[in-house]
Amino acid sequence: KQEVTQIPAALSVPEGENLVLNCSFTDSAIYNLQWFRQDPGKGLTSLLLIQSSQREQTSGRLNASLDKSSGRSTLYIAASQPGDSATYLCAPPYTGRRALTFGSGTRLQVQP
Amino acid sequence: DAGITQSPRHKVTETGTPVTLRCHQTENHRYMYWYRQDPGHGLRLIHYSYGVKDTDKGEVSDGYSVSRSKTEDFLLTLESATSSQTSVYFCAISESRIQYFGPGTRLTVT
Repeated sequence: KQEVTQIPAALSVPEGENLVLNCSFTDSAIYNLQWFRQDPGKGLTSLLLIQSSQREQTSGRLNASLDKSSGRSTLYIAASQPGDSATYLCAPPYTGRRALTFGSGTRLQVQP
Repeated sequence: DAGITQSPRHKVTETGTPVTLRCHQTENHRYMYWYRQDPGHGLRLIHYSYGVKDTDKGEVSDGYSVSRSKTEDFLLTLESATSSQTSVYFCAISESRIQYFGPGTRLTVT
């Protein structure tokens, strides 16, 4: 069974800092991994999908990396802004099903 | 938002009553999902569907049933609601292996 751990659970930084959010998973037989953002009381917004054949995927100030062999993914946020404040969720595939398994997320607060 | 709507968006019901949540999509996606989100547990898969009348269980399926008689609708039914089913329920679809989520339904069982 896929299990996902996200570290840190919470993070508070001043505006402008570069950040790294970490995700580890137990079942490395994955074909991709998805990162989401969730604002309080809202649904999930897809940020990036990184394929197992890729090492990195970039979208604007966001960069995700994937190391299947070590069971790790990182989300790098450059030049953080207050609007980046949200919970970030890592989601590799569910073992044996075409669905996702979620970590508990990293709650990010960017101070102006 | 990939054309996903959920109804109702909020519901309060009493223990023991049946409840049906609806997920509707407008873009003919084959895969549809129901997840629940609870503090301390993150999002967990309840059931999913890979086509009309084709469904499978997730990790927290006890107490829930689903139906998909049309491509566009995926229904989640709580046959007899319990307080432990108080949660936020999210529907999702899969397009090119990317999952997109609906806005959620907040269900309170009193």
